[in-house]
Amino acid sequence: TQLLEQSPQFLSIQEGENLTVYCNSSSVFSSLQWYRQEPGEGPVLLVTVVTGGEVKKLKRLTFQFGDARKDSSLHITAAQPGDTGLYLCAGARGAQKLVFGQGTRLTINP
Amino acid sequence: GAVVSQHPSWVICKSGTSVKIECRSLDFQATTMFWYRQFPKQSLMLMATSNEGSKATYEQGVEKDKFLINHASLTLSTLTVTSAHPEDSSFYICSATEDGSHEQYFGPGTRLTVT
Repeated sequence: TQLLEQSPQFLSIQEGENLTVYCNSSSVFSSLQWYRQEPGEGPVLLVTVVTGGEVKKLKRLTFQFGDARKDSSLHITAAQPGDTGLYLCAGARGAQKLVFGQGTRLTINP
Repeated sequence: GAVVSQHPSWVICKSGTSVKIECRSLDFQATTMFWYRQFPKQSLMLMATSNEGSKATYEQGVEKDKFLINHASLTLSTLTVTSAHPEDSSFYICSATEDGSHEQYFGPGTRLTVT
C-alpha cells in the first residue's frame, strides 16, 4: 500500500511553462518534505513544510501543505531545463522515518 | 552544512563476496541514519533504520543477516551486503538526521553491481 500518492509520475513540458506536482495521502503527517534527485546522485532536500496551510517559496518553486496535513503540492513557474529531475515528496509520522511517494520524473525541453 | 558522504561511490564485486558501504555525516552528529535501496526509475525503498549504539531496525522483507548494519559512532554507519548475488545489484543510499529532526540529508549513493 502506497501511503503517499504522487502525480503525475511523468511530466514533459516546454521551457517557460508552469507545472504542478501533487502529493496526496489519507494519512496525516507531522511534516512533509520535497526532494529533488538527479541521476546517479542522492536526493537533495528542497523544503520542509510543517504547519497545515503553510506556503513556502524557493525562487520559482512554491510549496504548499494542505490544511489537514495530508497533502502537498509543488508548483514551478516558468520551468527551465535545469529543473529537470526526479521530484520526491516524503512524509514524516511521529518517529523520524519518512514515507516516500513514487516520485515525479520531470523533463523540461528547451 | 548537513553534508553526508558515502564510500565507495560505485563498486563491482563477484557473486558470493561481501561488500561494505560507509555512510558518514561530515558536519553534524547523526543519532539516526537510514539505508535505502533504489531501483532504476523508481522511488526510494527504506531498508533499515540505524541508531548509534543499538541494533538496526529492519523493514519487513529485508534480511538482517544479509544486510548487516553497524552504527558505531555518531558520524558513521556501515552497510555490509553479505554473500552478494546479482539481484542485490542496485543503488544504495544512506541518509542522516540529527536528534529530534525530521529532515533527512542524503548521501550521494553507492552503485553496487554484482557479477
